[in-house]
Amino acid sequence: DTGVSQNPRHKITKRGQNVTFRCDPISEHNRLYWYRQTLGQGPEFLTYFQNEAQLEKSRLLSDRFSAERPKGSFSTLEIQRTEQGDSAMYLCASSGTARQFSPLHFGNGTRLTVT
Amino acid sequence: DQQVKQNSPSLSVQEGRISILNCDYTNSMFDYFLWYKKYPAEGPTFLISISSIKDKNEDGRFTVFLNKSAKHLSLHIVPSQPGDSAVYFCAASGVNNNDMRFGAGTRLTVKP
Repeated sequence: DTGVSQNPRHKITKRGQNVTFRCDPISEHNRLYWYRQTLGQGPEFLTYFQNEAQLEKSRLLSDRFSAERPKGSFSTLEIQRTEQGDSAMYLCASSGTARQFSPLHFGNGTRLTVT
Repeated sequence: DQQVKQNSPSLSVQEGRISILNCDYTNSMFDYFLWYKKYPAEGPTFLISISSIKDKNEDGRFTVFLNKSAKHLSLHIVPSQPGDSAVYFCAASGVNNNDMRFGAGTRLTVKP
């Protein structure tokens, strides 16, 4: 399977702890996105990379959140000092630029529960 | 700011009939509109898209209609099948695809 891969699938942590999620995009895609989805809502944009450059960040991405994409391949999303409001599904997606527009391909997400 | 809205949280149809899912948007600068389908415990899967220069795009049982003057799009599924039961998200994006916005989703149930 050469789709978008996210690890771990589930993460339970205590409030105040740091967590890190990993995303491996489709190999030929140079664009990578992080979204967050809460119950009853659609995915909300967090940040976007083209290769290793982080080009867009949502105001939803507080200073406790940091994302990296070293070498333009996999990406990590770290949340420091987690809060209960951070509990959500974190989705990673990738897209290519072979054409002017290409749809996002999503992974199966990491579900974070902060207790 | 909800730039993409799906006002029906759920829809139930009989197998073999047509399913019509609706979506409204507020930003006239969107260039592309998409529909995604999501099963439980999986990420959204791309279904069909339409450019803002078109008013219809068809792919098998799925057709998307775009009414730019009304800022409205719809997804038609004909005939509906039980396997189509899922949550459907409407999405919109600019040409650079750097900030795709999603609606809240409509849960479709197709009854055998």
